[in-house]
Amino acid sequence: ETGVTQTPRHLVMGMTNKKSLKCEQHLGHNAMYWYKQSAKKPLELMFVYNFKEQTENNSVPSRFSPECPNSSHLFLHLHTLQPEDSALYLCASSQDRVRGSEAFFGQGTRLTVV
Amino acid sequence: AQSVTQLDSQVPVFEEAPVELRCNYSSSVSVYLFWYVQYPNQGLQLLLKYLSGSTLVKGINGFEAEFNKSQTSFHLRKPSVHISDTAEYFCAVQYGNTGFQKLVFGTGTRLLVSP
Repeated sequence: ETGVTQTPRHLVMGMTNKKSLKCEQHLGHNAMYWYKQSAKKPLELMFVYNFKEQTENNSVPSRFSPECPNSSHLFLHLHTLQPEDSALYLCASSQDRVRGSEAFFGQGTRLTVV
Repeated sequence: AQSVTQLDSQVPVFEEAPVELRCNYSSSVSVYLFWYVQYPNQGLQLLLKYLSGSTLVKGINGFEAEFNKSQTSFHLRKPSVHISDTAEYFCAVQYGNTGFQKLVFGTGTRLLVSP
């Protein structure tokens, strides 16, 4: 248990569905992140939130829509996804702008788009 | 461009044998180095990190890594592996004083320990 909880752990959705991934941390961190992990590829940073403000969006398609209502919660809203979006989606949190700060990761949501 | 290279995508090894997982990064004046481990169907967990000081860093589960500035390397080692060490290992580098969000990850090395 890392202090970062992601739900659901597994999700299968059709291309026309709308679903949301949830991430929650109670570590007192001020930054939260969404990563995409696909087979044979490096971890891809998708979004960064610092004090609830989005500070980075790494050219992510608009079918992925993040939401950060407070410093402890982060959502990833999904709609009209493609099969190539199937991957493990990881949430992480850290105390940003701290030298050598490490991140704590959730267990991930395994997403399958059919 | 800043990059992290893990040359070995997969390393098979027998139980109780030593292992080294290699990591090289593109040179920079200031770097902080990390190794993360990912067990099947889990998120990433920090194994160890180097910020400054002694170049030999000890982490959890008997792992250690050595920072070599001249060779821009941060190889991970364990003198005797267990079956339970089977996992994916990621090297990551934070360039400068930018915080975690600027961490650059390698592509990972899958360690396969067999009896």
